[in-house]
Amino acid sequence: QKEVEQDPGPLSVPEGAIVSLNCTYSNSAFQYFMWYRQYSRKGPELLMYTYSSGNKEDGRFTAQVDKSSKYISLFIRDSQPSDSATYLCAIGGAGGTSYGKLTFGQGTILTVHP
Amino acid sequence: DGGITQSPKYLFRKEGQNVTLSCEQNLNHDAMYWYRQDPGQGLRLIYYSQIVNDFQKGDIAEGYSVSREKKESFPLTVTSAQKNPTAFYLCASSSPGREQYFGPGTRLTVT
Repeated sequence: QKEVEQDPGPLSVPEGAIVSLNCTYSNSAFQYFMWYRQYSRKGPELLMYTYSSGNKEDGRFTAQVDKSSKYISLFIRDSQPSDSATYLCAIGGAGGTSYGKLTFGQGTILTVHP
Repeated sequence: DGGITQSPKYLFRKEGQNVTLSCEQNLNHDAMYWYRQDPGQGLRLIYYSQIVNDFQKGDIAEGYSVSREKKESFPLTVTSAQKNPTAFYLCASSSPGREQYFGPGTRLTVT
């Protein structure tokens, strides 16, 4: 079993739709959770960072963490064609020598069509 | 401007040659990381360094080497021992236990 599982998609939605992206993880020691957006042939850019269960909102983006279920989500409201990218979840903080290391999901390819 | 730079953007090499990828950051971060990205496989950690003059192997270190002589710099050498070196290489940096920030990447093609 992989430490972090993410549905690779691809996911195609119409403009204005609500998008839900999800990851599950296996190690309950993970302490912090991130979502990155990566455009084709570019480096990933950080969208959201959180370290507690619950919701964190930033504009059209909401990150949700459920530590009891080992499940994290990213919601995108009013999706735009410019949101078309690969979305990567990243989880870290398992402690010991692993502190600071991130484990990434496979990435979900999202296309928002006009 | 604060950020992470990687050079070159594209690199072409013949099989059997070593090649060094550059990564520089001016974010004053202690930790730096090298990842490899292949289609459909997400990011895999090659090496990381939490402090100058110290570094640790990641999940796929075989065929790679690094040095960390300065806080700002973390070059990666892809050696001829790496069996499948063609990939997109990403460098990142962070403060300890915090979010990582990525450079623009270097696309290496070995023929």
